[in-house]
Amino acid sequence: EAQVTQNPRYLITVTGKKLTVTCSQNMNHEYMSWYRQDPGLGLRQIYYSMNVEVTDKGDVPEGYKVSRKEKRNFPLILESPSPNQTSLYFCASRPNRDWVHEQYFGPGTRLTVT
Amino acid sequence: AQTVTQSQPEMSVQEAETVTLSCTYDTSESNYYLFWYKQPPSRQMILVIRQEAYKQQNATENRFSVNFQKAAKSFSLKISDSQLGDTAMYFCAFMKLMRGSNYKLTFGKGTLLTVNP
Repeated sequence: EAQVTQNPRYLITVTGKKLTVTCSQNMNHEYMSWYRQDPGLGLRQIYYSMNVEVTDKGDVPEGYKVSRKEKRNFPLILESPSPNQTSLYFCASRPNRDWVHEQYFGPGTRLTVT
Repeated sequence: AQTVTQSQPEMSVQEAETVTLSCTYDTSESNYYLFWYKQPPSRQMILVIRQEAYKQQNATENRFSVNFQKAAKSFSLKISDSQLGDTAMYFCAFMKLMRGSNYKLTFGKGTLLTVNP
């Protein structure tokens, strides 16, 4: 089954404790992206990757890191989480071709930073 | 930069009736896609319908249809014969189409739709 998976689905942590949210897709997609969703703000892009070893900042990258060492994986790293990073996070992927327009979303990760 | 505006934070409709959710956007691009996503309580993002900007014909998917007015930069979603399972947050989204570009989806803030029995 074609899908985007995220782990963990739920995470409660404390300020300053490094964490990683994993994202993996099995569709051989070049493009992957991370969004965060906050009430009243919709979804905003954090980072994206056009292909392996190619990453760039989205609209709200502060406090986050990413890596793309393999095509299927695109982890989101919070080196020193803070309470303002409490949010719902989505990973998404799609092929890097103009005529393919649908992005596939993961199930979401609910992060709480206390 | 593109912006997407959903002016209705919440709406409600009776089961079996029709409801229209509004969306406007601002862009200087000529080639782009517009989408409506549904987010039920499960929080999964589900694509409802898509519209290519170069197509004048409005997209339709079963009970869901759009009214795309390119000159007015308007993209409303009509849900006919509303069902209880349509209760969800609905997001309008924009994606520009440019080779080699970031295929970022720019989302509106969402409209919470409640279908009442």
